[in-house]
Amino acid sequence: KNQVEQSPQSLIILEGKNCTLQCNYTVSPFSNLRWYKQDTGRGPVSLTIMTFSENTKSNGRYTATLDADTKQSSLHITASQLSDSASYICVVSDRGSTLGRLYFGRGTQLTVWP
Amino acid sequence: EADIYQTPRYLVIGTGKKITLECSQTMGHDKMYWYQQDPGMELHLIHYSYGVNSTEKGDLSSESTVSRIRTEHFPLTLESARPSHTSQYLCASSETPRDNSYNEQFFGPGTRLTVL
Repeated sequence: KNQVEQSPQSLIILEGKNCTLQCNYTVSPFSNLRWYKQDTGRGPVSLTIMTFSENTKSNGRYTATLDADTKQSSLHITASQLSDSASYICVVSDRGSTLGRLYFGRGTQLTVWP
Repeated sequence: EADIYQTPRYLVIGTGKKITLECSQTMGHDKMYWYQQDPGMELHLIHYSYGVNSTEKGDLSSESTVSRIRTEHFPLTLESARPSHTSQYLCASSETPRDNSYNEQFFGPGTRLTVL
């Protein structure tokens, strides 16, 4: 069973609308949680990174929240643009190794229509 | 934009051929990684390296091999490609954080491999 679950699997919204993507994880111990944006045919690009003590972080129109007690995170996209169409991947890192192992979700495929 | 490059971007090849996927980074990062990603699925770590002459297998068993002779270069080789190897291969790199905090991984654009 994947230790990082994302919902919804896919989402279609109209340009200019807001949306929220969800991430639940069971990874323990916990070091940090990251949200990546992956355009089709490209590698993931980091949007935000949050550690245990942070419960919100923004990057432009992207705002991520973290509740380490319930092991939930969300990514809120404001005033969506066509270029926001991509897969958004939630990634959790543990403290257990020097490598800082990453656990990847399967992503939410977001499509923004004009 | 991260300075990590992968070639080729797309490769279609017949069964039994030997292939090498190239990955280079110009950031001087000591750690490098190879991930495999199928459509709609999560990334799986198949190889990683802590530095020159260091290579380790990742979580997902893979018939590929890697080498790390130079810091900036981390090629992946398949001696005999099979249709089951069809996938997207992503290379990434990171530096060891000075303050024991998280290590940001920077990803290359990926190689889409199709084995017929």
